[in-house]
Amino acid sequence: EAGVTQFPSHSVIEKGQTVTLRCDPISGHDNLYWYRRVMGKEIKFLLHFVKESKQDESGMPNNRFLAERTGGTYSTLKVQPAELEDSGVYFCASNRVWGNEQFFGPGTRLTVL
Amino acid sequence: QKEVEQNSGPLSVPEGAIASLNCTYSDRGSQSFFWYRQYSGKSPELIMSIYSNGDKEDGRFTAQLNKASQYVSLLIRDSQPSDSATYLCAVPKAAGNKLTFGGGTRVLVKP
Repeated sequence: EAGVTQFPSHSVIEKGQTVTLRCDPISGHDNLYWYRRVMGKEIKFLLHFVKESKQDESGMPNNRFLAERTGGTYSTLKVQPAELEDSGVYFCASNRVWGNEQFFGPGTRLTVL
Repeated sequence: QKEVEQNSGPLSVPEGAIASLNCTYSDRGSQSFFWYRQYSGKSPELIMSIYSNGDKEDGRFTAQLNKASQYVSLLIRDSQPSDSATYLCAVPKAAGNKLTFGGGTRVLVKP
């Protein structure tokens, strides 16, 4: 079974630009989560999809962040416009059953200059 | 007080010794507890989950849970250099979805 995949692995952009991150969960996993780790801090939850619906988006920092999961398969996380404090590693995770172990992707390292 | 707390380390242990990692959590309603291992630049990898008070063993790893003290620990027996990594304690919210992570404990196993 293929694991969670994320694209790109690295992204370097200028402040004010737009970046879109993609996550492909494990096939059959209805639950998809986005997390972020900024330098020196712990990994923090951003949001949770159940299929195509946003179940919990309480961790989204502000309205510059937009997550979608059209069709309930892959998800995108768009940051527009990017700010310096958005730099960090963005992880995606998925699981089949709510509350069970989450499987993480390799992450996207975002650097905003 | 942070919701999930860990000693950041580094925890330096000689090869073959036991590494003991601790994690405390604040939400008394928490029911599930996960330990993830993260190598530098890689994704967190689940190595242990524990749901009931007591010990749970899996190979060289033992997780210990004490809900009354709100404490979960991870023991790594016969530590190997390949165990050198950051170990993350993660606790789902009572509703069971989003994980709250501790800051991680960096473990260094010296040959």
